[in-house]
Amino acid sequence: SQQGEEDPQALSIQEGENATMNCSYKTSINNLQWYRQNSGRGLVHLILIRSNEREKHSGRLRVTLDTSKKSSSLLITASRAADTASYFCATDAYTGGGNKLTFGTGTQLKVEL
Amino acid sequence: GAGVSQSPSNKVTEKGKDVELRCDPISGHTALYWYRQSLGQGLEFLIYFQGNSAPDKSGLPSDRFSAERTGGSVSTLTIQRTQQEDSAVYLCASSPQRGQQETQYFGPGTRLLVL
Repeated sequence: SQQGEEDPQALSIQEGENATMNCSYKTSINNLQWYRQNSGRGLVHLILIRSNEREKHSGRLRVTLDTSKKSSSLLITASRAADTASYFCATDAYTGGGNKLTFGTGTQLKVEL
Repeated sequence: GAGVSQSPSNKVTEKGKDVELRCDPISGHTALYWYRQSLGQGLEFLIYFQGNSAPDKSGLPSDRFSAERTGGSVSTLTIQRTQQEDSAVYLCASSPQRGQQETQYFGPGTRLLVL
């Protein structure tokens, strides 16, 4: 079953604007990860935030995590047309059985020139 | 170094036939995962391998699905008597070490279409 739910499902913005995507989840986690997927194929890891972290930055990406609300947000600043892709959050609830990720349904981002 | 590779990239088969999907993980990665992604959906966990331990098969949707990993490296996902609802992209991922908060490195996927 899908643990993560992204919101919005689709987002269309102009190049240069910021894009914010949200993710909610249901169970306790060890970490939360964000991935990008182009054209329905392989996923590319963007950033990992641990359960004891509240905010993390990587280039134009900023991720926040609120474990009390079981939610995370991904902010892409100064968006570019090349950022057009689907973005997924994935939760890692490692319990000794491996780091199997539970993915949300994704946000489709379109950045227009 | 080389990333995760999968073959074939696309597979079209007839309902009732068996298919085999292959995954070559990144060299040295001990953990290997299979996921399935139906059209417009997120990824669904299928099975997980870690070294020589028994695999975690908790995500396999039916007994028509099986997977093996030979020599702790290459993995094959087999779907027997394929059904139309098996049509999806099958993604493989590997990661360096169990028990760590590691990212997973994904292959490009195999797009399966069952007619």
